[in-house]
Amino acid sequence: GAVVSQHPSWVICKSGTSVKIECRSLDFQATTMFWYRQFPKQSLMLMATSNEGSKATYEQGVEKDKFLINHASLTLSTLTVTSAHPEDSSFYICSARGGQRGQWDTQYFGPGTRLTVL
Amino acid sequence: GDSVTQMEGPVTLSEEAFLTINCTYTATGYPSLFWYVQYPGEGLQLLLKATKADDKGSNKGFEATYRKETTSFHLEKGSVQVSDSAVYFCALSEVWGGKLIFGQGTELSVKP
Repeated sequence: GAVVSQHPSWVICKSGTSVKIECRSLDFQATTMFWYRQFPKQSLMLMATSNEGSKATYEQGVEKDKFLINHASLTLSTLTVTSAHPEDSSFYICSARGGQRGQWDTQYFGPGTRLTVL
Repeated sequence: GDSVTQMEGPVTLSEEAFLTINCTYTATGYPSLFWYVQYPGEGLQLLLKATKADDKGSNKGFEATYRKETTSFHLEKGSVQVSDSAVYFCALSEVWGGKLIFGQGTELSVKP
C-alpha cells in the first residue's frame, strides 16, 4: 500500500511554455502533498506544501506565480511550471501524507519527473 | 534553522562489509528522524524511522538509533549486499507529519 505515482516521468519542452506534472496517491487519501526539487547529486529541497482544498504554502524563495500548485482532491495534486526556462530544468518529486493508521507522520514519495527545458 | 548533515559519499564497500553512514541534526524541538533510500531510477522509499529519543528504527537489516545526547541518527548494517547500492538520505521532521528537511544524501556502492 501507500503508492504514489507521477506523470509524466520525463518531459522536454521549449522555453516559454508551461508544463503540468501530476501526482496521485493510488491507494490512499492524501490530506497533504509536498513538492520537492532535486538537483543532480544534491538533496531534495521542499518547494511547497499543499492541503486538499486550500492554497499551497510555498517555501521562502519559491515563486508561487511560477510554480502553480493545485490540490483539488484527496488523491491528486498538480504542479504547473509556467513560462518554463532552462534554469527550471530539474527533477521534481512529490510526496503524500495520509493513509494508513500509524503512518500519518510518514511521507510516501512518487518516482519523480525529469523536466528539461530547451 | 533546522538542518541535517550526512557524511559525504560516495562510499564504496565490498559485499558483506559493515556499513555506517553518519547523520547528525540540528533542531529546536524534538523531531522525528527518518532514513530514506533512493535506488537508481526510482523514487525515495522510507527505510526506517524513529520518533523519540532512544528509539531504534530497523528494516531490511538496517538499523538506526535516535541519540538525543549526540543529536545523531547513524545508519548501520552488519553485512551489505550489492542490492543495497543506492543513495541514502537522512531527514527530520519537526512537526508531526510536517515537512521533511533532508541531508545531502550519501551514495553507497557495494562491489561483489
